[in-house]
Amino acid sequence: QLQLQESGPGLVKPSETLSLTCTVSGGPISSSTYHWDWIRQPPGKGLEWIGTIYHSGSTYQNPSLQSRVTISADTSKNQLSLKLNSVTAADTAVYYCARVRREVDGWIPSDYWGQGSLVTVSS
Amino acid sequence: DIQMTQSPSTLSASVGDRVTITCRASQSLSSWLAWFQQKPGKAPKLLIYKASSLEGGVPSRFSGSESGTEFTLTISSLQPDDFATYYCQQYNTYPWTFGQGTKVEI
Repeated sequence: QLQLQESGPGLVKPSETLSLTCTVSGGPISSSTYHWDWIRQPPGKGLEWIGTIYHSGSTYQNPSLQSRVTISADTSKNQLSLKLNSVTAADTAVYYCARVRREVDGWIPSDYWGQGSLVTVSS
Repeated sequence: DIQMTQSPSTLSASVGDRVTITCRASQSLSSWLAWFQQKPGKAPKLLIYKASSLEGGVPSRFSGSESGTEFTLTISSLQPDDFATYYCQQYNTYPWTFGQGTKVEI
């Protein structure tokens, strides 16, 4: 059974860098059958897609965050990484990693999710 | 970015009701639309993909349809476990975008 687990500091100071890891168990992140998303949700608000990484290492980020976001993968550890620099209070949110799977005629988004990691930006 | 306009934002219903939630896209999605259910404190759960395909394990009372750029999630007979917030998401074009959410409450 596939499991995703986000981890990282729960509190980050303004202007610093938010760093999260998503550890995947039950299947390799390097498979071409999947790619991996980061999604966030501010408290009491809706969902925002942050970006994605493919097995090739190619990434796409939301232009609203693009200059501040780095998404990477460590296949030897089966882990994904999210870094968001120059954070402000507006970046306070629950951060999720999720799997996107390939089907015959296209992709299927977010069929597996981590439980989420709350990151608060505050001094 | 493709804008997803979801309505209503809140819906009051009773067990057994037929419930319909709508999502309108600002441009064509070629059916690349998904629906998610989220309960408080939990990650979203995929219900429907490609506008009308039911994800494995999801009860058949959930269904999706499309008409042009308008997409609908229908719950045929609302059950107690269905009180939650529902989101649509387009995955036709990056950046993928979500609707604002619909809270289904008693």
